[in-house]
Amino acid sequence: QMQLVESGGGVVQPGGSLRLSCAASGFTFSSYGMHWVRQAPGKGLEWVAFIRSDGTDKYYADSVRGRFTISRDNSKNTLYLQLNSLRTDDTSVFYCARDWGWGFAIRGQGTLVTVSS
Amino acid sequence: QSALTQPPSASGSPGQSVTIPCTGTSSDVGGYNFVSWYQQHPGKAPKLMIYEVSKRPEGVPDRFSGSKSGNTASLTVSGLQAEDEADYYCSSYAGSNNWVFGGGTKLTVL
Repeated sequence: QMQLVESGGGVVQPGGSLRLSCAASGFTFSSYGMHWVRQAPGKGLEWVAFIRSDGTDKYYADSVRGRFTISRDNSKNTLYLQLNSLRTDDTSVFYCARDWGWGFAIRGQGTLVTVSS
Repeated sequence: QSALTQPPSASGSPGQSVTIPCTGTSSDVGGYNFVSWYQQHPGKAPKLMIYEVSKRPEGVPDRFSGSKSGNTASLTVSGLQAEDEADYYCSSYAGSNNWVFGGGTKLTVL
């Protein structure tokens, strides 16, 4: 049974950094593209970033390009998201997702990032 | 990356059917058969209900169906049940390795 467990969230000041992790199990991690999706409190969903199965290609939403970096370690079945230059409007629950027919299969409860001074 | 357009709310009585539209453009919904739908209960993570316009992942009841016509995709919930009350979001691949979401629709079971 596919599982995705996000971690690494917390409270950080504007301009600060965090690294989120997503531990995958129950499927062949190295065979699938992976996404990060976020949701600000009381708001809708927003696609953040995508990385191909072998990690060679990475793509970002305009709102995070140049500040966030997606990566993966297929030997550890783990997906990462490095968040730099954080802004108050980055405050969100971040979900990792397996690509599923060009959609998002989310299995975890997400990790909350709060950017506040 | 403009958001897709969904009505903020929809409602229906138990046993009835309700359809939620999701309107995009020829650059996203109309250009690709990669529309997906998500159900989110309060305080819970989103759950994939439909992918590639009309396919259901294993375990999703066949009361949930998806379709597309031109630049508008639709989610239909038939035989409404109390547990279907939730927020529903559509999403579409938008080309150039970008994805967009709709603003969400709150479905109320009367």
